[in-house]
Amino acid sequence: DVKVTQSSRYLVKRTGEKVFLECVQDMDHENMFWYRQDPGLGLRLIYFSYDVKMKEKGDIPEGYSVSREKKERFSLILESASTNQTSMYLCASSPNPGQGAGAEAFFGQGTRLTVV
Amino acid sequence: AQKVTQAQTEISVVEKEDVTLDCVYETRDTTYYLFWYKQPPSGELVFLIRRNSFDEQNEISGRYSWNFQKSTSSFNFTITASQVVDSAVYFCALSVHFGNEKLTFGTGTRLTIIP
Repeated sequence: DVKVTQSSRYLVKRTGEKVFLECVQDMDHENMFWYRQDPGLGLRLIYFSYDVKMKEKGDIPEGYSVSREKKERFSLILESASTNQTSMYLCASSPNPGQGAGAEAFFGQGTRLTVV
Repeated sequence: AQKVTQAQTEISVVEKEDVTLDCVYETRDTTYYLFWYKQPPSGELVFLIRRNSFDEQNEISGRYSWNFQKSTSSFNFTITASQVVDSAVYFCALSVHFGNEKLTFGTGTRLTIIP
């Protein structure tokens, strides 16, 4: 079974803190993604990575950065947490079948982050 | 740019009733892929189905069926004889060819099955 594991289910951080959300996948997938889920807004893409050390901005990258030093691990970094970053964060991975073949994405269980 | 619209925010039905979740999409790409995911209370999104833009055949899997109509840009999902375990948030999503497998999601429909 493909497994995408997020390091924490729940986090509470203070405004201004630097926050690291970790995600690990065990299926050797090329692509990894960070989404943010908010009520009424669905899932929105923050950043994605299609290879080690490669990253691209998604739809809402402001206030976030990412790191992918190893293929299996993709970290989301909140440089200076703010209350408007309180949300559910979902990590996902998918293979790269070449030529964009609509690969299925596998998701972690999510990290519910509260910034106070 | 891609867009997915799920107009139904919340639906409640009594157990054993049939229910249809609507999904309308927008894209200028001619090759694209449509997905449905289920998010139970545990939080993890579970893949249900994928369809590519060249395959308009409807699909049935047990109590689940999907109706893909390019003419109306819709990809609707029907649950027949609903059960309490079907209670979840359901997301429709779209990816495009050469899009690095990025998914554009709808806002989700929360389905509650009343026993």
